[in-house]
Amino acid sequence: DVKVTQSSRYLVKRTGEKVFLECVQDMDHENMFWYRQDPGLGLRLIYFSYDVKMKEKGDIPEGYSVSREKKERFSLILESASTNQTSMYLCASSLRTSAPREQFFGPGTRLTVL
Amino acid sequence: AQSVSQHNHHVILSEAASLELGCNYSYGGTVNLFWYVQYPGQHLQLLLKYFSGDPLVKGIKGFEAEFIKSKFSFNLRKPSVQWSDTAEYFCAVKGQAGTALIFGKGTTLSVSS
Repeated sequence: DVKVTQSSRYLVKRTGEKVFLECVQDMDHENMFWYRQDPGLGLRLIYFSYDVKMKEKGDIPEGYSVSREKKERFSLILESASTNQTSMYLCASSLRTSAPREQFFGPGTRLTVL
Repeated sequence: AQSVSQHNHHVILSEAASLELGCNYSYGGTVNLFWYVQYPGQHLQLLLKYFSGDPLVKGIKGFEAEFIKSKFSFNLRKPSVQWSDTAEYFCAVKGQAGTALIFGKGTTLSVSS
């Protein structure tokens, strides 16, 4: 069973703080993704990575950065948190093969920025 | 750019009613299509997927979806819903060249017993 875990279920931070969201998967997946989920907007892709130290911008990368130093771990960084980054953050992973594969999701981190 | 449209924002049904949730996508090439479900307080999980072959795809919990290429549609169906189907449903598409999924905005299904 694929397992994607995220470091926190709930997080409260103050405006201007640096925030780290951690994601770990245990199935040796090459691809990892960070999405944010907002009511009425669905899931929007922030960044993804298809290999260690590789990263690609998604649809809404502004205000975020990522780090992938190890295959199983993908971190999302908010350099200076702002109130409009209050959201649910979802991490996902998938195999990278010639045939498409589904993404497996973590439980999410609900971040509130005050 | 690829996009996914889910026509219904919120659907309210009684138990045993039939369900159809609409999903249309904009990509004209070969696509891979998915329906994910998020039960209250739980992870997003895969309901079903279409990669190729039979356009009628069966998933978990009695759900099915039909890929109609000419209509760019992948509607989700269930003949008789249960209270436990109350959840948010997301349609997603992956284009041939892409790695990430493009998600629709989601449809909230509320089933009353």
